[in-house]
Order: sequence, then structure tokens, then C-alpha cells
Amino acid sequence: EAQVTQNPRYLITVTGKKLTVTCSQNMNHEYMSWYRQDPGLGLRQIYYSMNVEVTDKGDVPEGYKVSRKEKRNFPLILESPSPNQTSLYFCASSLSAQETQYFGPGTRLLVL
Amino acid sequence: GIQVEQSPPDLILQEGANSTLRCNFSDSVNNLQWFHQNPWGQLINLFYIPSGTKQNGRLSATTVATERYSLLYISSSQTTDSGVYFCAVEGLGGQNFVFGPGTRLSVLP
Repeated sequence: EAQVTQNPRYLITVTGKKLTVTCSQNMNHEYMSWYRQDPGLGLRQIYYSMNVEVTDKGDVPEGYKVSRKEKRNFPLILESPSPNQTSLYFCASSLSAQETQYFGPGTRLLVL
Repeated sequence: GIQVEQSPPDLILQEGANSTLRCNFSDSVNNLQWFHQNPWGQLINLFYIPSGTKQNGRLSATTVATERYSLLYISSSQTTDSGVYFCAVEGLGGQNFVFGPGTRLSVLP
């Protein structure tokens, strides 16, 4: 089944404890992206990747890192999480930037 | 950067009614997509429609790129259509994807 998977789905952590949210797609998509969704602020793009080893900042990249070592995986890294990074995070992928995006199920993160 | 507005912000319908959701954007776009976020939070792509008209069952969409707007039509609405509808665009010259604030639709039985 074609899909985008994210892990974990739910995470409670404390300020400063490094964490990684994984994203994987099995559709051989070149474009992958991370978003955060917050009440009143909607969905905002954090980082995106046009292809392996190519990443770029979205609208809200501060406090996040990404890597794209393989086509299928695009992990989101929070080196030192802070409470303002409490959010619902979505990973998405598409054949290219100008194609239909498919979203993962979301990761709900709470930083205490 | 590019600005995206959606209207109305909220919409309540009786089952079987039709509706039109609007998305306005401030600059030319390479890419425009409509998404539905269901009450469980899942985001589903409805249309990839940078220009022209597409139909998929009870849903159709039209984008008039020269006038910088897109419309999503929902006919014979069902309770399962409830949720938030987002349009999202990518401006010319970049791959940064910007979402509108959404239209929250509630379809009552």
C-alpha cells in the first residue's frame, strides 16, 4: 500500500532533550516536506527536500534540522526542543514539487 | 511572500446542500492544491489544480490563475464531508508551499 508513515505518532518530552521524528514513503517520491499545524496559525512549512541531499528552509525552520540521505526517508530533528515546538507535525511527499502531495498521519508532540 | 485567504472561515450545511469555498492568492502560482482535513486530523489531497477545472465525484474545483482565485464546489454534501478544507499554493520561483487558513465545514444530518 502506497503511504507516508511517521513515528512516533505521539510524544511527550522535556525541554532540551534531543528527539527525532521519522518520516518514510514507499512511492519513490522525490519531493518531501515537513509542516507544523498550530491553532490559529494553520499549517506552516518547516523544511522541504527536492531530492536526495537537497534540502531547503520553509517558513518556520528555526529550531529544526532535517536530512535526506535516502530518497524514502526524511527525518525531522529537534536538537534542543522548547515548549513553543509543541505542535502537530505532518510529513508529506510527492513525485515533484508541482505534483499532488500525500500526507502522513501526523505526530503530536508535547514539550514540557 | 505569497498570501493566501480562504472564505468563508466557517460553514454549516444541512446534508444534501451544495456549497462553494473560495481561495484567493496574492501572486502567480506554480502549484495549487486543495486538501480536506477530517475530524480525526488526517489530511487528504482533493485536487492538484494550478489552472482549469477538475471534477471528482461530488467535488469539483476551478482555478482562474489570471484572477488569482480558486473555487471548490461540494454538491449534495454528506456528513462525512465535515472537516476543514485548505487550499495551498506554491509561488513562481520557489518550492515553498503556503497554506490558507482553511474553511471549517460542518454538515448536519
